[in-house]
Amino acid sequence: QQPVQSPQAVILREGEDAVINCSSSKALYSVHWYRQKHGEAPVFLMILLKGGEQKGHEKISASFNEKKQQSSLYLTASQLSYSGTYFCGTITRGNRDDKIIFGKGTRLHILP
Amino acid sequence: NAGVMQNPRHLVRRRGQEARLRCSPMKGHSHVYWYRQLPEEGLKFMVYLQKENIIDESGMPKERFSAEFPKEGPSILRIQQVVRGDSAAYFCASSPRDSEDEQFFGPGTRLTVL
Repeated sequence: QQPVQSPQAVILREGEDAVINCSSSKALYSVHWYRQKHGEAPVFLMILLKGGEQKGHEKISASFNEKKQQSSLYLTASQLSYSGTYFCGTITRGNRDDKIIFGKGTRLHILP
Repeated sequence: NAGVMQNPRHLVRRRGQEARLRCSPMKGHSHVYWYRQLPEEGLKFMVYLQKENIIDESGMPKERFSAEFPKEGPSILRIQQVVRGDSAAYFCASSPRDSEDEQFFGPGTRLTVL
């Protein structure tokens, strides 16, 4: 039931792009993306509620392929501040009281 | 508007003692979630509460762990007779309505069991 994230870790140079994938074995109702810096609390990035929905947040955007039961997070022209661990959380089809199940995270390290 | 508050930030307990973790949600938020995080691991769902109601406690061990969110006051996660395996960071999050909303996380309580 826990979504699978890939890759587990990424090292980039500043300005490079990255894609983080999140896939589920169950049909998805929504996908949630959070970023956590070391020693800090997770911070919300975006929620995708509809199949095929795409959202953007500065140079960070995401897509949701309902049919494939997966979501991808795109980081364009990465900045040093993008370093951290990215978590996807999924809610499988059900009612609005369903809980979010988070993946194990993808550690992103940006080098200057 | 103050964010989600958790206290204490750090808690040290000896095996067999009780740990009581508090979470004050953001003003106007009636939904509270508790997660546990081990070093280098993801956020593991424990329990989802609304005021005076437990909505889902499927992620919480049935023994020694309990949670409440009273009508007045903070949400409390209680761990009785702590063991070394309970050592972890415990995060609380709140949202204004339900799981479709953005969750605002508190700074966490780092529990160390000696």
